[in-house]
Amino acid sequence: DIQMTQSPSSLSASVGDRVTITCQASQDISNYLNWYQQKPGKAPKLLIYDASNLETGVPSRFSGSGSGTDFTFTISSLQPEDIATYYCQQYDHLPLTFGPGTKLDMK
Amino acid sequence: EVQLLESGGGLVQPGGSLRLSCAASGFTFSSYAMSWARQAPGKGLEWVSAIGGSAGSAYYPDSVKGRFTISRDNSKNTLYLQMNSLRAEDTAVYYCAKDRRQLAPPYYYYGMDVWGQGTTVTVSS
Repeated sequence: DIQMTQSPSSLSASVGDRVTITCQASQDISNYLNWYQQKPGKAPKLLIYDASNLETGVPSRFSGSGSGTDFTFTISSLQPEDIATYYCQQYDHLPLTFGPGTKLDMK
Repeated sequence: EVQLLESGGGLVQPGGSLRLSCAASGFTFSSYAMSWARQAPGKGLEWVSAIGGSAGSAYYPDSVKGRFTISRDNSKNTLYLQMNSLRAEDTAVYYCAKDRRQLAPPYYYYGMDVWGQGTTVTVSS
Protein backbone atom coordinates (compact mmCIF):
# COMPACT_ATOMS: atom_id res chain seq x y z
CA ASP A 1 0.00 0.00 0.00
CA ILE A 2 1.09 3.57 -0.61
CA GLN A 3 1.74 5.39 2.65
CA MET A 4 0.84 9.05 2.90
CA THR A 5 2.41 11.37 5.43
CA GLN A 6 1.42 14.93 6.27
CA SER A 7 3.14 17.74 8.10
CA PRO A 8 2.57 19.36 10.37
CA SER A 9 0.09 17.20 12.27
CA SER A 10 -1.38 20.35 13.76
CA LEU A 11 -0.92 24.07 13.48
CA SER A 12 -2.31 27.30 14.83
CA ALA A 13 -2.68 30.38 12.67
CA SER A 14 -4.36 33.77 12.69
CA VAL A 15 -6.99 35.21 10.41
CA GLY A 16 -5.32 36.39 7.23
CA ASP A 17 -2.28 34.13 7.57
CA ARG A 18 -0.94 32.07 4.73
CA VAL A 19 -1.12 28.41 5.72
CA THR A 20 0.79 25.59 4.06
CA ILE A 21 0.44 21.84 4.59
CA THR A 22 2.66 19.26 2.96
CA CYS A 23 1.84 15.70 1.96
CA GLN A 24 4.32 13.05 0.91
CA ALA A 25 3.64 9.73 -0.79
CA SER A 26 5.80 6.65 -0.24
CA GLN A 27 6.14 6.25 -4.00
CA ASP A 28 5.47 8.22 -7.17
CA ILE A 29 1.76 8.90 -7.59
CA SER A 30 2.04 11.40 -10.44
CA ASN A 31 -0.67 14.00 -9.75
CA TYR A 32 -3.26 11.51 -8.48
CA LEU A 33 -3.90 13.33 -5.24
CA ASN A 34 -6.94 14.90 -3.61
CA TRP A 35 -7.29 17.23 -0.63
CA TYR A 36 -10.28 17.14 1.72
CA GLN A 37 -11.50 19.38 4.51
CA GLN A 38 -13.34 17.93 7.48
CA LYS A 39 -15.02 20.00 10.15
CA PRO A 40 -15.87 18.44 13.52
CA GLY A 41 -18.86 16.12 13.34
CA LYS A 42 -19.18 16.56 9.58
CA ALA A 43 -18.36 14.51 6.52
CA PRO A 44 -15.22 15.31 4.53
CA LYS A 45 -15.49 17.78 1.68
CA LEU A 46 -13.42 17.56 -1.50
CA LEU A 47 -11.45 20.77 -2.07
CA ILE A 48 -8.71 19.92 -4.58
CA TYR A 49 -8.45 17.08 -7.10
CA ASP A 50 -5.63 16.00 -9.42
CA ALA A 51 -3.25 17.77 -7.03
CA SER A 52 -4.02 21.29 -8.21
CA ASN A 53 -7.57 21.57 -9.52
CA LEU A 54 -10.10 23.45 -7.42
CA GLU A 55 -13.41 21.67 -6.94
CA THR A 56 -16.44 23.64 -8.11
CA GLY A 57 -17.65 26.10 -5.51
CA VAL A 58 -14.49 26.03 -3.41
CA PRO A 59 -13.05 29.48 -2.63
CA SER A 60 -9.98 30.50 -4.60
CA ARG A 61 -7.93 31.05 -1.43
CA PHE A 62 -7.42 27.27 -1.45
CA SER A 63 -4.81 25.85 -3.79
CA GLY A 64 -2.69 22.76 -4.31
CA SER A 65 0.49 21.90 -6.12
CA GLY A 66 3.02 19.13 -6.59
CA SER A 67 3.56 15.87 -8.40
CA GLY A 68 5.44 12.64 -7.91
CA THR A 69 5.85 12.21 -4.17
CA ASP A 70 5.67 15.74 -2.76
CA PHE A 71 2.56 17.90 -2.58
CA THR A 72 1.54 21.18 -1.00
CA PHE A 73 -1.82 22.55 0.07
CA THR A 74 -2.14 26.29 0.71
CA ILE A 75 -4.72 28.63 2.16
CA SER A 76 -3.66 32.07 0.99
CA SER A 77 -5.53 34.04 3.64
CA LEU A 78 -6.98 32.05 6.52
CA GLN A 79 -10.63 32.66 7.36
CA PRO A 80 -12.41 31.59 10.58
CA GLU A 81 -14.53 29.08 8.66
CA ASP A 82 -11.36 27.27 7.52
CA ILE A 83 -10.81 25.75 10.96
CA ALA A 84 -10.88 22.03 10.24
CA THR A 85 -8.75 18.98 9.68
CA TYR A 86 -7.25 18.57 6.23
CA TYR A 87 -6.47 15.23 4.60
CA CYS A 88 -4.60 14.31 1.45
CA GLN A 89 -5.55 11.13 -0.42
CA GLN A 90 -3.85 9.28 -3.23
CA TYR A 91 -5.75 7.39 -5.94
CA ASP A 92 -2.90 6.16 -8.09
CA HIS A 93 -2.87 2.68 -6.56
CA LEU A 94 -5.43 0.57 -4.77
CA PRO A 95 -6.24 0.75 -1.94
CA LEU A 96 -6.92 4.45 -1.89
CA THR A 97 -5.08 5.82 1.12
CA PHE A 98 -5.37 8.97 3.18
CA GLY A 99 -2.78 10.95 5.03
CA PRO A 100 -3.15 11.13 8.82
CA GLY A 101 -4.56 14.64 8.70
CA THR A 102 -3.49 18.13 9.70
CA LYS A 103 -5.59 19.83 12.36
CA LEU A 104 -5.78 23.56 11.84
CA ASP A 105 -6.99 25.87 14.58
CA MET A 106 -7.10 29.57 15.23
CA LYS A 107 -4.37 31.26 17.20
CA GLU B 1 -29.16 18.34 -5.42
CA VAL B 2 -26.86 15.35 -5.06
CA GLN B 3 -27.54 13.55 -1.78
CA LEU B 4 -26.42 10.40 -0.02
CA LEU B 5 -28.21 9.15 3.07
CA GLU B 6 -26.78 6.28 5.10
CA SER B 7 -28.70 4.09 7.50
CA GLY B 8 -28.30 0.81 9.35
CA GLY B 9 -25.68 1.64 11.93
CA GLY B 10 -25.99 0.62 15.54
CA LEU B 11 -24.56 -1.39 18.40
CA VAL B 12 -23.50 -4.96 17.64
CA GLN B 13 -21.58 -7.58 19.60
CA PRO B 14 -18.16 -8.78 18.49
CA GLY B 15 -18.56 -11.46 15.85
CA GLY B 16 -21.93 -10.09 14.82
CA SER B 17 -23.19 -8.69 11.53
CA LEU B 18 -24.68 -5.47 10.30
CA ARG B 19 -25.88 -4.20 6.93
CA LEU B 20 -25.50 -0.56 6.03
CA SER B 21 -27.51 1.14 3.29
CA CYS B 22 -26.96 4.35 1.38
CA ALA B 23 -29.78 5.94 -0.59
CA ALA B 24 -28.59 8.14 -3.44
CA SER B 25 -30.43 10.90 -5.26
CA GLY B 26 -29.77 13.78 -7.61
CA PHE B 27 -27.42 12.02 -10.03
CA THR B 28 -27.30 9.04 -12.41
CA PHE B 29 -26.37 6.48 -9.79
CA SER B 30 -25.40 3.68 -12.18
CA SER B 31 -22.81 5.89 -13.89
CA TYR B 32 -20.61 6.26 -10.85
CA ALA B 33 -18.46 4.03 -8.74
CA MET B 34 -19.32 4.25 -5.06
CA SER B 35 -17.24 3.81 -1.95
CA TRP B 36 -17.54 3.26 1.76
CA ALA B 37 -15.04 4.93 4.05
CA ARG B 38 -14.87 4.96 7.83
CA GLN B 39 -13.49 7.01 10.67
CA ALA B 40 -12.80 5.51 14.07
CA PRO B 41 -13.39 7.81 17.05
CA GLY B 42 -10.73 10.51 17.10
CA LYS B 43 -8.89 8.95 14.16
CA GLY B 44 -8.35 9.59 10.48
CA LEU B 45 -10.14 8.37 7.38
CA GLU B 46 -9.94 4.83 6.01
CA TRP B 47 -11.31 3.64 2.67
CA VAL B 48 -12.97 0.27 3.21
CA SER B 49 -14.56 -0.74 -0.07
CA ALA B 50 -15.63 0.39 -3.50
CA ILE B 51 -17.73 -0.89 -6.37
CA GLY B 52 -17.99 0.06 -10.01
CA GLY B 53 -21.10 1.58 -11.52
CA SER B 54 -22.24 -1.65 -13.14
CA ALA B 55 -21.92 -3.51 -9.80
CA GLY B 56 -18.83 -5.39 -10.87
CA SER B 57 -15.25 -4.64 -9.84
CA ALA B 58 -15.61 -4.54 -6.07
CA TYR B 59 -12.46 -3.82 -4.11
CA TYR B 60 -11.54 -4.28 -0.45
CA PRO B 61 -8.39 -3.44 1.49
CA ASP B 62 -6.87 -6.24 3.55
CA SER B 63 -8.35 -4.87 6.79
CA VAL B 64 -11.88 -5.92 5.77
CA LYS B 65 -11.35 -8.45 2.96
CA GLY B 66 -13.38 -11.60 3.52
CA ARG B 67 -15.59 -9.94 6.15
CA PHE B 68 -17.22 -7.02 4.31
CA THR B 69 -19.21 -7.19 1.07
CA ILE B 70 -20.20 -4.15 -0.93
CA SER B 71 -23.12 -4.29 -3.34
CA ARG B 72 -25.50 -1.99 -5.11
CA ASP B 73 -29.01 -2.02 -6.57
CA ASN B 74 -29.03 0.45 -9.43
CA SER B 75 -32.81 0.07 -9.81
CA LYS B 76 -33.20 1.41 -6.26
CA ASN B 77 -30.27 3.88 -6.34
CA THR B 78 -28.97 2.22 -3.21
CA LEU B 79 -25.53 1.12 -2.04
CA TYR B 80 -25.01 -1.53 0.64
CA LEU B 81 -22.26 -2.74 2.92
CA GLN B 82 -22.69 -6.13 4.54
CA MET B 83 -20.34 -6.40 7.52
CA ASN B 84 -19.74 -9.81 9.11
CA SER B 85 -17.43 -11.05 11.86
CA LEU B 86 -17.30 -7.58 13.31
CA ARG B 87 -14.48 -6.61 15.64
CA ALA B 88 -14.02 -3.83 18.17
CA GLU B 89 -11.66 -2.13 15.73
CA ASP B 90 -14.50 -1.81 13.20
CA THR B 91 -16.14 0.73 15.50
CA ALA B 92 -16.40 3.91 13.45
CA VAL B 93 -18.58 6.35 11.59
CA TYR B 94 -19.19 4.84 8.16
CA TYR B 95 -19.62 7.15 5.18
CA CYS B 96 -20.82 6.32 1.72
CA ALA B 97 -19.37 8.46 -1.02
CA LYS B 98 -19.73 9.02 -4.74
CA ASP B 99 -16.71 8.76 -7.01
CA ARG B 100 -15.57 11.93 -8.66
CA ARG B 101 -15.58 10.64 -12.24
CA GLN B 102 -18.41 9.23 -14.27
CA LEU B 103 -18.20 5.98 -16.26
CA ALA B 104 -14.78 5.06 -14.93
CA PRO B 105 -13.16 1.81 -16.12
CA PRO B 106 -13.34 -1.15 -13.73
CA TYR B 107 -11.13 -0.82 -10.66
CA TYR B 108 -10.42 2.84 -11.35
CA TYR B 109 -11.40 5.14 -8.51
CA TYR B 110 -10.64 8.85 -8.43
CA GLY B 111 -11.62 9.93 -4.97
CA MET B 112 -14.94 11.05 -3.55
CA ASP B 113 -16.72 14.30 -4.35
CA VAL B 114 -19.97 13.76 -2.44
CA TRP B 115 -20.26 12.17 0.99
CA GLY B 116 -23.19 11.14 3.13
CA GLN B 117 -23.61 12.36 6.70
CA GLY B 118 -22.35 9.05 8.12
CA THR B 119 -23.82 6.29 10.24
CA THR B 120 -22.23 5.08 13.48
CA VAL B 121 -21.28 1.45 14.04
CA THR B 122 -20.27 0.39 17.54
CA VAL B 123 -18.91 -3.09 18.12
CA SER B 124 -18.97 -3.90 21.80
CA SER B 125 -20.19 -6.52 24.23
